[in-house]
Amino acid sequence: DTEVTQTPKHLVMGMTNKKSLKCEQHMGHRAMYWYKQKAKKPPELMFVYSYEKLSINESVPSRFSPECPNSSLLNLHLHALQPEDSALYLCASSQDTQGDSGNTIYFGEGSWLTVV
Amino acid sequence: AQSVTQLDSQVPVFEEAPVELRCNYSSSVSVYLFWYVQYPNQGLQLLLKYLSGSTLVESINGFEAEFNKSQTSFHLRKPSVHISDTAEYFCAVSEKGYSTLTFGKGTMLLVSP
Repeated sequence: DTEVTQTPKHLVMGMTNKKSLKCEQHMGHRAMYWYKQKAKKPPELMFVYSYEKLSINESVPSRFSPECPNSSLLNLHLHALQPEDSALYLCASSQDTQGDSGNTIYFGEGSWLTVV
Repeated sequence: AQSVTQLDSQVPVFEEAPVELRCNYSSSVSVYLFWYVQYPNQGLQLLLKYLSGSTLVESINGFEAEFNKSQTSFHLRKPSVHISDTAEYFCAVSEKGYSTLTFGKGTMLLVSP
């Protein structure tokens, strides 16, 4: 089972709203990721969590706030977003981040975010 | 740092024709190579990967890719495409020991009847 589950699938929010995207995996993976994908572009890395600790923040604006409550869950809290933040947000997981076993990253179906 | 080049942004083909999607990479260290497929309005699915061993890797739906170290390439091929193969294909690379991916810009495969 290589499933990463994301909710909600679609989200429309105003610029003053606070919302959250949720991600769950039950593969025993210890690394989880948030990627952002604009239309017709490749995914861009936002955050990496390794063993529930934030290990990489790719200079993401503070209006995006990640949280890893446990090894299976990853949230992305959204506050005061701009219309240009509208995109597909992809969650992903892998066994870990520094093994030599060839860490394969598995992606979820994504959450489509529209900021109005 | 590594980079991935997918020269073709779009590849139109007729159903049952063969196709090759090109991918070249640049890295100063050993890498793992991946192809992901993204069907319209969906997330990314792993299509196939090269980690080590045989340089020819295959997917369950008839795609194959060959790692060529001397040409730093990992081209994706299928001998006969179906309409359902219409999708965006991303080549990606990660350095051995690290799992953050560097993606190419993607190639849109358009299969028509």
